[in-house]
Amino acid sequence: KNQVEQSPQSLIILEGKNCTLQCNYTVSPFSNLRWYKQDTGRGPVSLTIMTFSENTKSNGRYTATLDADTKQSSLHITASQLSDSASYICVVSNDYKLSFGAGTTVTVRA
Amino acid sequence: NAGVTQTPKFQVLKTGQSMTLQCAQDMNHEYMSWYRQDPGMGLRLIHYSVGAGITDQGEVPNGYNVSRSTTEDFPLRLLSAAPSQTSVYFCASSYSNLGTGEYGYTFGSGTRLTVV
Repeated sequence: KNQVEQSPQSLIILEGKNCTLQCNYTVSPFSNLRWYKQDTGRGPVSLTIMTFSENTKSNGRYTATLDADTKQSSLHITASQLSDSASYICVVSNDYKLSFGAGTTVTVRA
Repeated sequence: NAGVTQTPKFQVLKTGQSMTLQCAQDMNHEYMSWYRQDPGMGLRLIHYSVGAGITDQGEVPNGYNVSRSTTEDFPLRLLSAAPSQTSVYFCASSYSNLGTGEYGYTFGSGTRLTVV
């Protein structure tokens, strides 16, 4: 069973709207959690990284939150743009390995 | 600064053929790794290297070989291609095996491989 579960699998939003992606994990012990953005035909690119003591981290219109007690993270996209259309991957690290979620595909329509 | 360069971008193989996927990085990263990405699944680690001359198996190593003769290059060899190896392959590099630091792993653009 995958130790990192993401939801929804995909979503469609209108340009300018907000959306929130979810990541639940069972990885233990926990070291850090990172969100990657993967454009079609490209490799993933890091958006944010959070350690155990961090609750929120922003990168422009992207805001990630972390609740280490419930082992949940979210990625909020504000005022979406067409360029936000991509797959968003949650990656959780313990002290010796990474666990990748399957990703959420976001489609932003004009 | 090119980052991580993968070649080829696309490849079609017949069952039983062999080939090498190339990966090169110019960031002087010690850690390099190969992943495969399949629909509905997270990236899975095939092989990794923590430095020149050192390689180890990841989660799904069967059917693949690697070598690391230099810090820059980390080729992935498919010994006898099978349809189950149809996938998108990503090479990644980092300063550390856990991809810590501001940028985490730097990924290449991927190789889309189809085995018929």
